[in-house]
Amino acid sequence: AQKVTQAQTEISVVEKEDVTLDCVYETRDTTYYLFWYKQPPSGELVFLIRRNSFDEQNEISGRYSWNFQKSTSSFNFTITASQVVDSAVYFCALSEAYRGAQKLVFGQGTRLTINP
Amino acid sequence: DAEITQSPRHKITETGRQVTLACHQTWNHNNMFWYRQDLGHGLRLIHYSYGVQDTNKGEVSDGYSVSRSNTEDLPLTLESAASSQTSVYFCASRQGVAGELFFGEGSRLTVL
Repeated sequence: AQKVTQAQTEISVVEKEDVTLDCVYETRDTTYYLFWYKQPPSGELVFLIRRNSFDEQNEISGRYSWNFQKSTSSFNFTITASQVVDSAVYFCALSEAYRGAQKLVFGQGTRLTINP
Repeated sequence: DAEITQSPRHKITETGRQVTLACHQTWNHNNMFWYRQDLGHGLRLIHYSYGVQDTNKGEVSDGYSVSRSNTEDLPLTLESAASSQTSVYFCASRQGVAGELFFGEGSRLTVL
């Protein structure tokens, strides 16, 4: 069965620090997709990134970067030079590709607080 | 622009009452989902549907039901609301196994 674990329940850092949010997943499928979502204090869920299991290249988008390592079943998210606006709950999610399993399973979320 | 909308956004009800949360999407997605969000549990899947007349139970389906009579709508019904069902409910939709999940704005339900 698919499972996602975000062991860090809460993280608090000072603005401009770098911070990494961990995500570990479990799946028996060889083809799967990993996602990160952001939930700011306003409550909506915002899509950040999707990565398929065949693409292990790291992704960088501005101050955000993602490190996908199949060997450790991890898909970690790093924010460089954090800002107060990055304060949110972040969710990692997994979707298996075989027929009939098109649902996303989410981790418990990590609440990130960036202090000025 | 295509979107996914939920109603009501906030509802207070009493234990034992039937409650229905509406979800409507204009993406024409086959796959629709209901999640609940509770502190310490993240987003947990309640029910999901892969198309018209198809419904499936998620990990926390007890006390909930859904029906899918058309592509656009997946209403979530609490047959007899319980205090344990106080939560924020999110409807979502996606196309295929690789597509991102599009979420509604959430419905906050309080059961007294």
